[in-house]
Amino acid sequence: QQQVKQSPQSLIVQKGGISIINCAYENTAFDYFPWYQQFPGKGPALLIAIRPDVSEKKEGRFTISFNKSAKQFSLHIMDSQPGDSATYFCAAFDNYGQNFVFGPGTRLSVLP
Amino acid sequence: DAGVIQSPRHEVTEMGQEVTLRCKPISGHNSLFWYRQTMMRGLELLIYFNNNVPIDDSGMPEDRFSAKMPNASFSTLKIQPSEPRDSAVYFCASSYPDEPYEQYFGPGTRLTVT
Repeated sequence: QQQVKQSPQSLIVQKGGISIINCAYENTAFDYFPWYQQFPGKGPALLIAIRPDVSEKKEGRFTISFNKSAKQFSLHIMDSQPGDSATYFCAAFDNYGQNFVFGPGTRLSVLP
Repeated sequence: DAGVIQSPRHEVTEMGQEVTLRCKPISGHNSLFWYRQTMMRGLELLIYFNNNVPIDDSGMPEDRFSAKMPNASFSTLKIQPSEPRDSAVYFCASSYPDEPYEQYFGPGTRLTVT
């Protein structure tokens, strides 16, 4: 119940295309859903996040869509660029229960 | 701000040796997290401090692992004795008071135990 499932494991997209990564959770106590971006040799960096009272959040080319009833959320990267090539982790946090769970990651490659 | 600082960046040691990883959180942050990242298990939370007090150490894999936070600007993660299966990248992250969600990660320490 503490797991966060993430798919696909890897993704290859052409420059200018849309990258979509999906995540699902079970524990309804989670109340914050961030996405982290990690480049090789670096630590994860917070990219964008959403709370369950909002169905969508957009920051530049990055959009989170959240479906509370289905317990699913997704990251959309519009106009994908080679510089977006990285590993993306979804996460689910529950501060009350101090649970901080990360998905297994998606390795994104954007071809020039 | 320099961000979260971790040292060493790389550590190679032999099985049975003691390993100490160090972390300096961002100034003003009062929550500190230690994570371990491996290909098999992904990113796992090991322990979480709030105001220098350990809140949840249920992720610490064994008694061989211990963590301390003697003050607001320093934390250590110690493995004694180390084993080859401890090989991983260890990350420290910190966050502002009352904002444990916005965690800022350090560059990590890559530990190799031979």
